[in-house]
Amino acid sequence: DGGITQSPKYLFRKEGQNVTLSCEQNLNHDAMYWYRQDPGQGLRLIYYSQIVNDFQKGDIAEGYSVSREKKESFPLTVTSAQKNPTAFYLCASSIGAIRDNEQFFGPGTRLTVL
Amino acid sequence: GENVEQHPSTLSVQEGDSAVIKCTYSDSASNYFPWYKQELGKRPQLIIDIRSNVGEKKDQRIAVTLNKTAKHFSLHITETQPEDSAVYFCAASKRNTDKLIFGTGTRLQVFP
Repeated sequence: DGGITQSPKYLFRKEGQNVTLSCEQNLNHDAMYWYRQDPGQGLRLIYYSQIVNDFQKGDIAEGYSVSREKKESFPLTVTSAQKNPTAFYLCASSIGAIRDNEQFFGPGTRLTVL
Repeated sequence: GENVEQHPSTLSVQEGDSAVIKCTYSDSASNYFPWYKQELGKRPQLIIDIRSNVGEKKDQRIAVTLNKTAKHFSLHITETQPEDSAVYFCAASKRNTDKLIFGTGTRLQVFP
């Protein structure tokens, strides 16, 4: 767990502003993921990356963007196009493909758009 | 695509009683089923998982059963303790994909 960090823990932004959430891991994991958590809706996948310089859209990618320039970093940008950005955002990583490997989660960032 | 339904959404039990949470999945090709526990304000953590070649797996007070024919799997917690109070999420993933589909969560409260 301690190998995945997210910052900041709480983030406030005005409507219409883009904001970037940080996710770093020192576990040497190939795969990284971003989830959004809303009350009563579980965890929904936004984007995921299996390898450096490659990423795929998840189920709710609209209004979000990511990059994977380094193995240990997978920042998520919440753009002004995201209609309801206030949520709890969780980053996760795994050694490789999910089918055989546990996902480890970061502590999360709670974003509030005013 | 895969869909995972989880029931109940809330569950209250007395300390020492058992708790059962059930999930159903839609894609028969799914072959990996983890369960995560999320305590208030903390990150989800894997507590147990099962693969499609196994019908049951147990780890101390926690067990998971899988019925591939009916496409459902369940989490069983015996001798519940107050520290078991948390939100539990089931998930499913399909062979050769890298995506987990999560259920909507069950809030378990264990009263002393």
